[in-house]
Amino acid sequence: AQSVAQPEDQVNVAEGNPLTVKCTYSVSGNPYLFWYVQYPNRGLQFLLKYITGDNLVKGSYGFEAEFNKSQTSFHLKKPSALVSDSALYFCAVRPSALNTGFQKLVFGTGTRLLVSP
Amino acid sequence: DTAVSQTPKYLVTQMGNDKSIKCEQNLGHDTMYWYKQDSKKFLKIMFSYNNKELIINETVPNRFSPKSPDKAHLNLHINSLELGDSAVYFCASSQVKAGELFFGEGSRLTVL
Repeated sequence: AQSVAQPEDQVNVAEGNPLTVKCTYSVSGNPYLFWYVQYPNRGLQFLLKYITGDNLVKGSYGFEAEFNKSQTSFHLKKPSALVSDSALYFCAVRPSALNTGFQKLVFGTGTRLLVSP
Repeated sequence: DTAVSQTPKYLVTQMGNDKSIKCEQNLGHDTMYWYKQDSKKFLKIMFSYNNKELIINETVPNRFSPKSPDKAHLNLHINSLELGDSAVYFCASSQVKAGELFFGEGSRLTVL
């Protein structure tokens, strides 16, 4: 069964500084990897995904993530944080193998990002 | 235009009551889901339907019964509500091959 670990409950960063939110995964075969953001009292919004190809994936709001197969990681990054980036971030994984039928997307426990002015 | 819409947004009810949450998506997706987010923000899948057929049914009490009248709608009915059912319930949809889910705004259920 697949699983996702987000080792940090909270990440604090000053506005203008680079940010990294960590994610490691475990899945049989090749993974489909996702990042979502949740603002207070809102649903989850899709940020970016890795399916195949270039290990560096660019997404919404200036975020990007790097897929590292050897380290089974998919860390979320942004070169310059904004106060408005403060939110709850979820990493998610599912297997890519289509011949195994429908696969559920499994989420990590979430990391709260706080960007201070 | 709302892509995935859920109603109601808030439900407050007494233990033992029955309640329903409705979900509709206008994205043309073939797969819909119910997720539960608890007070610690953990997200857990409950059910998934593909073209009106149940394809994922996690370990969920029988008191929870999903129904998909067509592929654009997925409703959740909960019988005999318990305190532990208090959570935010999210509906989502996707095209199964693409993978990413589109979420509704959530329905916050409070059982007193």
